[in-house]
Amino acid sequence: DAGITQSPRHKVTETGTPVTLRCHQTENHRYMYWYRQDPGHGLRLIHYSYGVKDTDKGEVSDGYSVSRSKTEDFLLTLESATSSQTSVYFCAISEVPGRYGYTFGSGTRLTVV
Amino acid sequence: KQEVTQIPAALSVPEGENLVLNCSFTDSAIYNLQWFRQDPGKGLTSLLLIQSSQREQTSGRLNASLDKSSGRSTLYIAASQPGDSATYLCAVDAGGTSYGKLTFGQGTILTVHP
Repeated sequence: DAGITQSPRHKVTETGTPVTLRCHQTENHRYMYWYRQDPGHGLRLIHYSYGVKDTDKGEVSDGYSVSRSKTEDFLLTLESATSSQTSVYFCAISEVPGRYGYTFGSGTRLTVV
Repeated sequence: KQEVTQIPAALSVPEGENLVLNCSFTDSAIYNLQWFRQDPGKGLTSLLLIQSSQREQTSGRLNASLDKSSGRSTLYIAASQPGDSATYLCAVDAGGTSYGKLTFGQGTILTVHP
């Protein structure tokens, strides 16, 4: 989607290796989110950010960390990837949640082997 | 804990039919409810957002209603077209300390055949 890009789009990694996913926005929106999407579970919130250096945990945060040193970038790190973290990861941004809705990125498909 | 359920899980209709997708949520204390569309291999596209004080929202052939007290929302699609084929997701924002954090249903897979 225009204004939000995720990288990489696809990644295969080995169990135990660290992995970092990047979300980059050009909309200058304050709020950024990381979700994962799995069959049978739908989308679940991992972490979110409400400003530079301001982050908090979501529903399924174990095994993940995030950082936001600039408004435009929100990084999701899997410290030591496990097979249960194989998923599709979506980043979302919002200017004012609940008033203007959200814009989602196209997703990163991560496979941990 | 808020839970969101969507029924049916899948729906197949002929082109031109009007259809209704259902979404229910367990905690009626919501801030807003949103409907999204997801095409295969793609991200989510926001369709409609209904604030807790509203009863419905309309955009083109789409109409979403909200009955907060009963914990239900419906998405009505008029005169369906093959291009409407996608997965439709509803999500609720509980507000308060959960402001901005969405709880999603698992979606309804819609197929509209010519």
